[in-house]
Amino acid sequence: GAVVSQHPSWVICKSGTSVKIECRSLDFQATTMFWYRQFPKQSLMLMATSNEGSKATYEQGVEKDKFLINHASLTLSTLTVTSAHPEDSSFYICSARDLQVYEQYFGPGTRLTVT
Amino acid sequence: GQSLEQPSEVTAVEGAIVQINCTYQTSGFYGLSWYQQHDGGAPTFLSYNALDGLEETGRFSSFLSRSDSYGYLLLQELQMKDSASYFCAVYNAGNMLTFGGGTRLMVKP
Repeated sequence: GAVVSQHPSWVICKSGTSVKIECRSLDFQATTMFWYRQFPKQSLMLMATSNEGSKATYEQGVEKDKFLINHASLTLSTLTVTSAHPEDSSFYICSARDLQVYEQYFGPGTRLTVT
Repeated sequence: GQSLEQPSEVTAVEGAIVQINCTYQTSGFYGLSWYQQHDGGAPTFLSYNALDGLEETGRFSSFLSRSDSYGYLLLQELQMKDSASYFCAVYNAGNMLTFGGGTRLMVKP
């Protein structure tokens, strides 16, 4: 099946710094990728939809200036958490849709801890 | 808006059958998916129903009734490794997935 990778798998950073998370579709092209956030014992909440070559679409309540998304190619989307604070600590998961099938493939997730 | 309702927790014994229900309210409904997530891991795709009826894949089956805005995931011959969280998710216009709150399944020996 299709594979989506994320890097890094976990990261610890200090409050006020920025962190970049990469999401790659390894064996298919994805014009659209999605970024989710999941707090412990909670569901996945869609943060934004990332479209190749255009601006991301953010869900209500998600600060676009804080969570910068870039989708520079058909296989790579990045999420940058700027000026991170402890409340940004969460599990960030990306997904990509293979246009050939109606299925979203999820990356393994990135666990962010802000101290 | 969109909302999905599923039980928060279900407990069953090894070898048993368990059904996890999901009701939804959404606009522009395309289909219902089910995902499994083990603690600390990412969601993995289990099934997708776009039409009414039952889809069977090994020990897992998924059902959809569009007229009732209802679906369920059926797990048979439960194994300890099936202990995980199960999420129903609705595909809508724009190919966006909206997830339910998740059902934590605990399989006991």
